[in-house]
Amino acid sequence: GENVEQHPSTLSVQEGDSAVIKCTYSDSASNYFPWYKQELGKRPQLIIDIRSNVGEKKDQRIAVTLNKTAKHFSLHITETQPEDSAVYFCAAFLDSNYQLIWGAGTKLIIKP
Amino acid sequence: SQTIHQWPATLVQPVGSPLSLECTVEGTSNPNLYWYRQAAGRGLQLLFYSIGIGQISSEVPQNLSASRPQDRQFILSSKKLLLSDSGFYLCAWTTGGLMNTEAFFGQGTRLTVV
Repeated sequence: GENVEQHPSTLSVQEGDSAVIKCTYSDSASNYFPWYKQELGKRPQLIIDIRSNVGEKKDQRIAVTLNKTAKHFSLHITETQPEDSAVYFCAAFLDSNYQLIWGAGTKLIIKP
Repeated sequence: SQTIHQWPATLVQPVGSPLSLECTVEGTSNPNLYWYRQAAGRGLQLLFYSIGIGQISSEVPQNLSASRPQDRQFILSSKKLLLSDSGFYLCAWTTGGLMNTEAFFGQGTRLTVV
C-alpha cells in the first residue's frame, strides 16, 4: 500500500531563514498532496496543496514542489517568522482506495 | 459556510468505562466523515471513515467503533476503554464524493484514560 515518509522530524531555523520539509511517497498513482499545519493543542489546517498535474504552487511565503518521477514533494517556507512554529504534516491521496496517507510530521522551530 | 463541531474538548475516563465522542457538520450535505487519533508528538492515524449514512470503514482493529446515524453526525464509541486509548481524537470532513480535497478538522478531544 501507499507509504509516506517525511523528513526531518524536527527542524530548527533562524527567524528570517528558509525552511524545507520533504516527503516521499511510494505509489505512483497518488494524485493529491496536501500540507497541513498544526499548532500546539489545535486542529490541523490546510496551508497549501498540489495535484499531480502541477509541478509547483506558491502562496506568498509558502510553496510546494512536486517531482512525480522521483515521487517526492517538498514544502518551502521563506522568510520564516515566529508564528511559523508548528508541526507540519504532508499527505498523499490514492484514488484506488480513497485514502489520504499521512507523513509522521515535522516539528518546525523558529529561533528568534 | 460549513462548520464542524466536536465535543467534548477534554475527557478523563477510567479504564473499562464506555466512551462516546460526537461530531456534527453544518452547512454541507453528504460529507465524507473521518475519525483520527493522534498520540502525543505523533502523526495522524485514521480510525474510521464514512462516505454515507450507515457506511463505516474501519482502518485499525481495536476496541473502538463508529456510527453515522444521520448524514452529518459521526460518533466514536467504545464499550470498555483501555489505557492505550488515550490520545487526541480528531473528527474531520471532506466534500462528498471528493476525498482528494481539503479536510476540515474539528477542535479535537483530548482523552486521558486513567
